[in-house]
Amino acid sequence: DVKVTQSSRYLVKRTGEKVFLECVQDMDHENMFWYRQDPGLGLRLIYFSYDVKMKEKGDIPEGYSVSREKKERFSLILESASTNQTSMYLCASSAHGDLAEQYFGPGTRLTVT
Amino acid sequence: AQKITQTQPGMFVQEKEAVTLDCTYDTSDQSYGLFWYKQPSSGEMIFLIYQGSYDEQNATEGRYSLNFQKARKSANLVISASQLGDSAMYFCAMGNYGGATNKLIFGTGTLLAVQP
Repeated sequence: DVKVTQSSRYLVKRTGEKVFLECVQDMDHENMFWYRQDPGLGLRLIYFSYDVKMKEKGDIPEGYSVSREKKERFSLILESASTNQTSMYLCASSAHGDLAEQYFGPGTRLTVT
Repeated sequence: AQKITQTQPGMFVQEKEAVTLDCTYDTSDQSYGLFWYKQPSSGEMIFLIYQGSYDEQNATEGRYSLNFQKARKSANLVISASQLGDSAMYFCAMGNYGGATNKLIFGTGTLLAVQP
């Protein structure tokens, strides 16, 4: 079974802190994604990566950066957390090639106070 | 621009009845795929069913079926014989063939409540 894990289920941080959200997948998938989920807005893509050290902006990259140093790990970084970044963050991975389903982690609910 | 629209923020259904969750999409591409995901209160997104734009038959997976009407650009999810465990948020998503990254765009979701 594909497994995507995220470092924390719940996280509380203060405004201005640097925040790291970690995601690890064990299926040797090339593609990895970070989304945020907000009520009434669905899932919105923040960043994605199609290979090690490769990254592309999604629809809402402002205030975020990412790192992919190893194939199995994709990190989302909030350089200076703000209250409007309070949200549920979901990581996903998928294989290359033809359109493939994405496998999701359990999510991290981040609260910035 | 591509877009997924789910017009039902919330739905109620009685246990053992069938329910249809609506999804319409907008794309100018000819090759695309449509997905449905379920998100229980635990938060994890669970893949349910997939329909390719060139598939002639509607996709089915157990109690889930996808009512694909290409000309109307709709891809409604039908859940037969609803169970209490079907209570969850349901998301429709679309992606396009031809790229390596398998990006998906998601709708805003429908919250389904199954009543005993």
